[in-house]
Amino acid sequence: DGGITQSPKYLFRKEGQNVTLSCEQNLNHDAMYWYRQDPGQGLRLIYYSQIVNDFQKGDIAEGYSVSREKKESFPLTVTSAQKNPTAFYLCASSKGSTLNQPQHFGDGTRLSIL
Amino acid sequence: SQQGEEDPQALSIQEGENATMNCSYKTSINNLQWYRQNSGRGLVHLILIRSNEREKHSGRLRVTLDTSKKSSSLLITASRAADTASYFCATDAGLYTGANSKLTFGKGITLSVRP
Repeated sequence: DGGITQSPKYLFRKEGQNVTLSCEQNLNHDAMYWYRQDPGQGLRLIYYSQIVNDFQKGDIAEGYSVSREKKESFPLTVTSAQKNPTAFYLCASSKGSTLNQPQHFGDGTRLSIL
Repeated sequence: SQQGEEDPQALSIQEGENATMNCSYKTSINNLQWYRQNSGRGLVHLILIRSNEREKHSGRLRVTLDTSKKSSSLLITASRAADTASYFCATDAGLYTGANSKLTFGKGITLSVRP
């Protein structure tokens, strides 16, 4: 079955620590996205990538970094510079490289501060 | 500024009733999409309606789009307890930005369907 896999489901970060959230898709989609969701809020775009080895900042990129070395993988690193990282992180992908197509989502990673 | 805003913020209905949710947006769009999110899960795409379409159906879902009022509605007919979820509308940023027009999600509507 094709889909998006995010891991881990739950993650805890200590002060000053960088953590990496994994996102893998086997849908052969070109575009991938990272969103942050806070309680009772919509999704805010962190980073997106339309093609391998290229990515762009979204609306709230500060304190985050990404890489896109393979088509199927788009990991997100939450750095120690992100002072309020507690949130639900969602990865998504869409067909082709256009950005307004239907998106397929993973089941998220919930990040908390220790 | 946020493109799509849903209304109401929360809706509670009895099983078997219809649920109507609304979304308003500010700028011209290429398309508008509705998504569902069950608690603790990712979003699931429900339906896409293009700016030149007025109505679309998918099973028990009916979506309308009024570009003159910059609004859309999602109707779920004969609701079931399993329809309990949050529903989001998403719009792209503008009619003239074309393929690079990213989606912006609203804050969502919490729908509770009582058995």
